[in-house]
Amino acid sequence: AQRVTQPEKLLSVFKGAPVELKCNYSYSGSPELFWYVQYSRQRLQLLLRHISRESIKGFTADLNKGETSFHLKKPFAQEEDSAMYYCALRGYQKVTFGIGTKLQVIP
Amino acid sequence: DAGVIQSPRHEVTEMGQEVTLRCKPISGHNSLFWYRQTMMRGLELLIYFNNNVPIDDSGMPEDRFSAKMPNASFSTLKIQPSEPRDSAVYFCASAIDRVPPLHFGNGTRLTVT
Repeated sequence: AQRVTQPEKLLSVFKGAPVELKCNYSYSGSPELFWYVQYSRQRLQLLLRHISRESIKGFTADLNKGETSFHLKKPFAQEEDSAMYYCALRGYQKVTFGIGTKLQVIP
Repeated sequence: DAGVIQSPRHEVTEMGQEVTLRCKPISGHNSLFWYRQTMMRGLELLIYFNNNVPIDDSGMPEDRFSAKMPNASFSTLKIQPSEPRDSAVYFCASAIDRVPPLHFGNGTRLTVT
């Protein structure tokens, strides 16, 4: 079975503070991990994927197979980062999402 | 491309009524997913199709839920009879050969009273 765990439903940070959204996964094979973001009144969209090792909107995420984690990080939060963030795992035949973390950036 | 199109955007119905949600995937995408989003459970995969064939429906909560994909450009998710606990946002997403990224529609917000 494949599972994605996002332990925090809500994360509040002040503007300019560092952000870390946690994601842990469970999967017996070689996983492919993603972060999706949903801004208010918009559809879910892909933010980044681990295989591309890129930084999008200042966010990065590193796959740590030892800790089975794929935490999303940004050094300085901005107000426009406020949104729902979903961690997702592509395993055998399907994509599983975590419960989501609502990031609230306080001005 | 207009992206994944879902209709209606909002649906309010009374308990016991039949509800049909519709989805048009992106042209050329042969994989289609139905997800349900709630505060308590986040995004749950209900069912997905590949080349119009249902591959995994293990996430469908009960027999009251059914999904069809009669052709490559159209899918429906039906709830009959609907119950208040079915209230949620239902998302449709499409992809090519089940390979992410998934492209999501705007969702249908269902309220069952």
